[in-house]
Amino acid sequence: ETGVTQSPTHLIKTRGQQVTLRCSSQSGHNTVSWYQQALGQGPQFIFQYYREEENGRGNFPPRFSGLQFPNYSSELNVNALELDDSALYLCASSLGTVSYEQYFGPGTRLTVT
Amino acid sequence: AQSVAQPEDQVNVAEGNPLTVKCTYSVSGNPYLFWYVQYPNRGLQFLLKYITGDNLVKGSYGFEAEFNKSQTSFHLKKPSALVSDSALYFCAVRATGAGSYQLTFGKGTKLSVIP
Repeated sequence: ETGVTQSPTHLIKTRGQQVTLRCSSQSGHNTVSWYQQALGQGPQFIFQYYREEENGRGNFPPRFSGLQFPNYSSELNVNALELDDSALYLCASSLGTVSYEQYFGPGTRLTVT
Repeated sequence: AQSVAQPEDQVNVAEGNPLTVKCTYSVSGNPYLFWYVQYPNRGLQFLLKYITGDNLVKGSYGFEAEFNKSQTSFHLKKPSALVSDSALYFCAVRATGAGSYQLTFGKGTKLSVIP
């Protein structure tokens, strides 16, 4: 059974640029959630995708957007990068949307300069 | 709005001693509760969850947690700590109602097990 994978591992971008982060969900999982983890903080929910549709969204602006593909892999896109977007971005997959535990990938470390 | 409080930024315990990492929560209605562990430069790993039923939940690596509805708490425990348990621990909550998709995490507690 393949776990959750994310790419790239690290990324450095300049303020104002756009970035795309990728996530492959664990085999058989149809739900993907994205989180932002700032240094010294717990993960903050960005949004969740269930069967290719956004299923819910946290308190993040519209410049954070996503996609889920038929194979349940997912992308997180961030436009007009700001310095405060520097964080570890975590992807998590699960068998369902509510009571099921989520399985996390290793994360993508984004640095905005 | 739902929230999680982990009142201790750091917990130090001697190897072989019991450990407790505290968590309290606030949510509308009944909660789903989770504990995750994060090792340096790694993603979060699932430890255990409370959905319904027995208030004492057993999980991975000998960890357990007790759900206390009246105190809105879900403390993580282990009878005998190992040095390898040293890591960052996160408590998380989700409401059980329809459309309750958001998992809210606490700020984390750093556990250090001293040899």
